[in-house]
Amino acid sequence: ETGVTQSPTHLIKTRGQQVTLRCSSQSGHNTVSWYQQALGQGPQFIFQYYREEENGRGNFPPRFSGLQFPNYSSELNVNALELDDSALYLCASRKGQETQYFGPGTRLLVL
Amino acid sequence: AQRVTQPEKLLSVFKGAPVELKCNYSYSGSPELFWYVQYSRQRLQLLLRHISRESIKGFTADLNKGETSFHLKKPFAQEEDSAMYYCALSGRGSGNTGKLIFGQGTTLQVKP
Repeated sequence: ETGVTQSPTHLIKTRGQQVTLRCSSQSGHNTVSWYQQALGQGPQFIFQYYREEENGRGNFPPRFSGLQFPNYSSELNVNALELDDSALYLCASRKGQETQYFGPGTRLLVL
Repeated sequence: AQRVTQPEKLLSVFKGAPVELKCNYSYSGSPELFWYVQYSRQRLQLLLRHISRESIKGFTADLNKGETSFHLKKPFAQEEDSAMYYCALSGRGSGNTGKLIFGQGTTLQVKP
């Protein structure tokens, strides 16, 4: 059984650019959630996908969007990057209402 | 408002001393409470959840609905307990997505 994986591990972008982050869920997990963790803060919920549909969203603007694929892997897309988007982006997967398992994160730096 | 508050950014204790990491929450409804831990260079992982009422690595946490608290305790700290600890909550029951609301975290430093 493999755990949650994320790619890339690090990324540097400039303001105004677009970025796509990827997440492979743990085997058997059908729900994927994305979190943003700014430096010195706890993770903040961005949105969640279940069976390829978004079924929950936090207080993030529409330029944060996502996808879930039939194999339950997921992407987080951020358009028109801003300096404040610099953060660690965490993906978590789970099966039903069971425990969420987190990936190692992607560290995004926006210059 | 749904909120988790961890009042201490840093808690420093000596090995063998008791530890209490504080967590208070605000939630309209019936929440499920969790403690997550992140050791150096490792991913965030679940330490314990209140509904399972178990002790993990000697840590326990009791949900106090009257005080809206879920403090994490360990009677004798070990150096390997040094890590960042996050308290989190999610809603329970149908209609809840299971999203986690995290506190800002407390760094536990156990000195030899």
